[in-house]
Amino acid sequence: EVQLVESEGGLVKSGGSLRLSCDGSGFTFSNAWMNWVRQAPGQGLEWIGLVKSKPDGGTTHYAAFVKGRFTISRDDSKKKVYMEMNILKTEDTAVYYCATGRTPDFWGQGTLVTVSS
Amino acid sequence: DIQMTQSPSSVSASVGDRVTITCRASQDISSWLAWFQQKPGKAPKLLISAASRLQTGVPSRFSGTGSGTDFTLTITSLQPEDFATYYCHQADSFPFTFGPGTKVDIK
Repeated sequence: EVQLVESEGGLVKSGGSLRLSCDGSGFTFSNAWMNWVRQAPGQGLEWIGLVKSKPDGGTTHYAAFVKGRFTISRDDSKKKVYMEMNILKTEDTAVYYCATGRTPDFWGQGTLVTVSS
Repeated sequence: DIQMTQSPSSVSASVGDRVTITCRASQDISSWLAWFQQKPGKAPKLLISAASRLQTGVPSRFSGTGSGTDFTLTITSLQPEDFATYYCHQADSFPFTFGPGTKVDIK
């Protein structure tokens, strides 16, 4: 069974940093493209970015709004994907999901990140 | 960036109704279009990939059509568990993007 489990989010002050992680199991993690997607309260889904599998180049791609503030990485030996978020803003308050695949087919349960002013 | 639009933004329907949601991409995305269903407080669920490929376990009352820029999700004979928000997603070119969503609620 495919499982994705995001680390606990939490409360962070505006301008601060936070690193999320996502543990994958039940699939060949090293072959999977891994996405991060977020959803602000009461809003729609917003694609943040992804890291390709190393066989596919291991490159990262981001939405324009990231503007260098977020960095996605992976550790295939630990079956984890990470997202380092810096210079957080109140508008980054959202539930953050990791998901597998070019088309996100399996999703974690999400983790809430709250950025206070 | 490729912009995705959906219509309608919301629809009120009854059990047994046929519901059609459209998604339009701002440029050709071939068949790199997926449909997701999301219920409150839950993670999205992939229903259809590659514009028309029904995922395992998804009821056959869901179907997807289209290619290029225009796509459709149809739910025939709406069931109580289908009341949710539906999103389209393009994975043709980076950055990937979601549509704004269509809320299907009870009339």
